[in-house]
Amino acid sequence: GESVGLHLPTLSVQEGDNSIINCAYSNSASDYFIWYKQESGKGPQFIIDIRSNMDKRQGQRVTVLLNKTVKHLSLQIAATQPGDSAVYFCAESLGGNKLTFGGGTRVLVKP
Amino acid sequence: KAGVTQTPRYLIKTRGQQVTLSCSPISGHRSVSWYQQTPGQGLQFLFEYFSETQRNKGNFPGRFSGRQFSNSRSEMNVSTLELGDSALYLCASSIQGGGTEAFFGQGTRLTVV
Repeated sequence: GESVGLHLPTLSVQEGDNSIINCAYSNSASDYFIWYKQESGKGPQFIIDIRSNMDKRQGQRVTVLLNKTVKHLSLQIAATQPGDSAVYFCAESLGGNKLTFGGGTRVLVKP
Repeated sequence: KAGVTQTPRYLIKTRGQQVTLSCSPISGHRSVSWYQQTPGQGLQFLFEYFSETQRNKGNFPGRFSGRQFSNSRSEMNVSTLELGDSALYLCASSIQGGGTEAFFGQGTRLTVV
């Protein structure tokens, strides 16, 4: 498959454990944040989003936390499964539909 | 309902040539954005179209251009191709943009030789 990043930070996690992926965003005025998952050979897949007026949002097995004070975003995946192995990107938006992406984190799930 | 469709999936071009990539958004989505993805630079925003008008533009040279049609389908064009233009070009659609979910297509892998 295609490589989306040759030198990405990698998080290795045991199947069944929880994963935490961190992201530092750049613009304190950004008001919308998204997490994407990208598997080899595919486009980014929407996971969860959060607006700047919230500090936590939960989805199915995923939780996003937003700390605007330190411009930090995290994605927590509960009970990580082999299908969660992918590259994860955070993205920020300052209105409009222009997304600024982080560099990505590769998650490897060990059986 | 069908997702975002990009054609072609793979393309090989020679330096100096031009190329046109196509994106069909999800039905009902009016905003289409284009991104370039490379191992070195990651995902970078090219431009966004909404109702046939370019609404946002990234920091790419004028060789990169796009347009959107009345049915919201979009094309992007790269003229005078350079080796560094080799990348995965991704299209994302959303209902109206402005902080709404953006859904990506599978991308077009462009190789310039």
